[in-house]
Amino acid sequence: GIQVEQSPPDLILQEGANSTLRCNFSDSVNNLQWFHQNPWGQLINLFYIPSGTKQNGRLSATTVATERYSLLYISSSQTTDSGVYFCAVVSGGGADGLTFGKGTHLIIQP
Amino acid sequence: GAVVSQHPSWVICKSGTSVKIECRSLDFQATTMFWYRQFPKQSLMLMATSNEGSKATYEQGVEKDKFLINHASLTLSTLTVTSAHPEDSSFYICSARSSLWTNTGELFFGEGSRLTVL
Repeated sequence: GIQVEQSPPDLILQEGANSTLRCNFSDSVNNLQWFHQNPWGQLINLFYIPSGTKQNGRLSATTVATERYSLLYISSSQTTDSGVYFCAVVSGGGADGLTFGKGTHLIIQP
Repeated sequence: GAVVSQHPSWVICKSGTSVKIECRSLDFQATTMFWYRQFPKQSLMLMATSNEGSKATYEQGVEKDKFLINHASLTLSTLTVTSAHPEDSSFYICSARSSLWTNTGELFFGEGSRLTVL
């Protein structure tokens, strides 16, 4: 099946810093989504972005499908941004469900 | 965005008992729903694909007789963990996609259900 690799696995930043999270995938995709998992386990939809660029406040994402990667940018980090960020994809030729990467654990220190 | 609701959020049960978890799409119809399991500090792993009106499709290594899935309507799928044991303790999360979309559509997730088997 499709492989999804996220980097870095862990990231510690000071409040106000900017960060870039990366997601590489091994095959063509029909769907790519970024999520933030809060401390209670709930997955918050950040972006549905199989291709192109989107922005939502301090967050933006870019997917270059032809080169099989996606980037999530967080600007002016706040402590509430802490948590685990997951990238997940639906393979172009596979099953319908999302395949998740292992996530990036982000800690924003005050 | 679309809303998916799971119930219960927390459940503690004794070893050997069965537990049912419900997943509902509140403001859209979902032909297909998905069940995931997440162990502490790990990623989400797809367990099975639930199709309305037909049998679920299970991922390799997932015991279909242990994890019974029923998708009786376009807004409800249930996961029953039968004869639960401590190793079944985990965080179970469902997701759904609107029937209007193919597999290119956005998926929305429930709040998750944390199962602890004593």
